[in-house]
Amino acid sequence: DTEVTQTPKHLVMGMTNKKSLKCEQHMGHRAMYWYKQKAKKPPELMFVYSYEKLSINESVPSRFSPECPNSSLLNLHLHALQPEDSALYLCASSQTGGAGNTIYFGEGSWLTVV
Amino acid sequence: GQSLEQPSEVTAVEGAIVQINCTYQTSGFYGLSWYQQHDGGAPTFLSYNALDGLEETGRFSSFLSRSDSYGYLLLQELQMKDSASYFCAVRPFSGNTPLVFGKGTRLSVIA
Repeated sequence: DTEVTQTPKHLVMGMTNKKSLKCEQHMGHRAMYWYKQKAKKPPELMFVYSYEKLSINESVPSRFSPECPNSSLLNLHLHALQPEDSALYLCASSQTGGAGNTIYFGEGSWLTVV
Repeated sequence: GQSLEQPSEVTAVEGAIVQINCTYQTSGFYGLSWYQQHDGGAPTFLSYNALDGLEETGRFSSFLSRSDSYGYLLLQELQMKDSASYFCAVRPFSGNTPLVFGKGTRLSVIA
């Protein structure tokens, strides 16, 4: 089973709302990621969790708050977003270390901030 | 740092062969990966080269030459469904940094 599932698939939120994106994988991967992707651009790394601990935060604004409740789940809490935050948010997972050369992406959550 | 260069767009005819090149500047990496992304979809893994040479997976092949800092993805017997964006990516040795992506190549397959 090489599947990463994300919910919701589509989300429209106002700039004052609080919402969360959720991600789940059951491949036993201990590295999980959040990427942001704008149209016609490559995925842009936001956060990396390794063994449920945040290991990389690519200078992401605090209105994005990641959380890793356990080794299978990854959340991205959203608060006070801006219209320019509208994008496809991709969760991904991989093995760690030298074996982690293939990243498996979820289908993504399309976020529109109005 | 790492940077990967790909052509932004490629057009090819159905049934033909197309090669998408990826040149890179990086201080050291585990291997070169290729991902496919259809419009409205998520990136899906296609191929990975840890060593120099050719890796073949059905109609798709990928090649890496570390000495030339160069790789490519070869798509044979093109089908309309191959129209998508293709990204090359490397995973640097340093720290926990995951994949670094090229800017992507938009492949259009025409009849």
